[in-house]
Amino acid sequence: GAVVSQHPSWVICKSGTSVKIECRSLDFQATTMFWYRQFPKQSLMLMATSNEGSKATYEQGVEKDKFLINHASLTLSTLTVTSAHPEDSSFYICSARGGRVAGELFFGEGSRLTVL
Amino acid sequence: GQNIDQPTEMTATEGAIVQINCTYQTSGFNGLFWYQQHAGEAPTFLSYNVLDGLEEKGRFSSFLSRSKGYSYLLLKELQMKDSASYLCAAMDSNYQLIWGAGTKLIIKP
Repeated sequence: GAVVSQHPSWVICKSGTSVKIECRSLDFQATTMFWYRQFPKQSLMLMATSNEGSKATYEQGVEKDKFLINHASLTLSTLTVTSAHPEDSSFYICSARGGRVAGELFFGEGSRLTVL
Repeated sequence: GQNIDQPTEMTATEGAIVQINCTYQTSGFNGLFWYQQHAGEAPTFLSYNVLDGLEEKGRFSSFLSRSKGYSYLLLKELQMKDSASYLCAAMDSNYQLIWGAGTKLIIKP
């Protein structure tokens, strides 16, 4: 099946710094990628839909100036958490549609962010 | 509004059968997905139903009733490695996935 790779898997940063997370589709082209955040023992929360060559669509309540999304190519989308604070500590997961089943999502491995 | 309901946690015994239920309310419907998520890992695709009935795939089966807004995931011959969270997600008319909170399945020896 389709493969989505996410990097880094773990990142620890100081409060106030910015962190970039990359999401790559390795064997298919993804015009649309999705970014989720998941807090412990909670389900996935869609943050934004990343569209290649255009601006991302953010869900209600997600600050677009804090969570910068760039989808510059058909195989790469990046999420930058700017001026990170401890409350931004979470598990961030990207996904892309690439399966035979319409709407099937392939997920990256996830990135666990800890802000000190 | 759009909503997905599934139990928070279930416990079952190794070798047994367990059924995880999911009810949904969405604006339009384009299918029901089940994903498995082990702790600290990303979800992986298990099944997709868009027509009524039962889809069997090895030890896992998924059922859908569109008229009732209901689905279940059936796991047979439970193994310890099946301990995970199982996420139910319905696709609405805009092809957006609406996610349930997940059911944590605990398998006991």
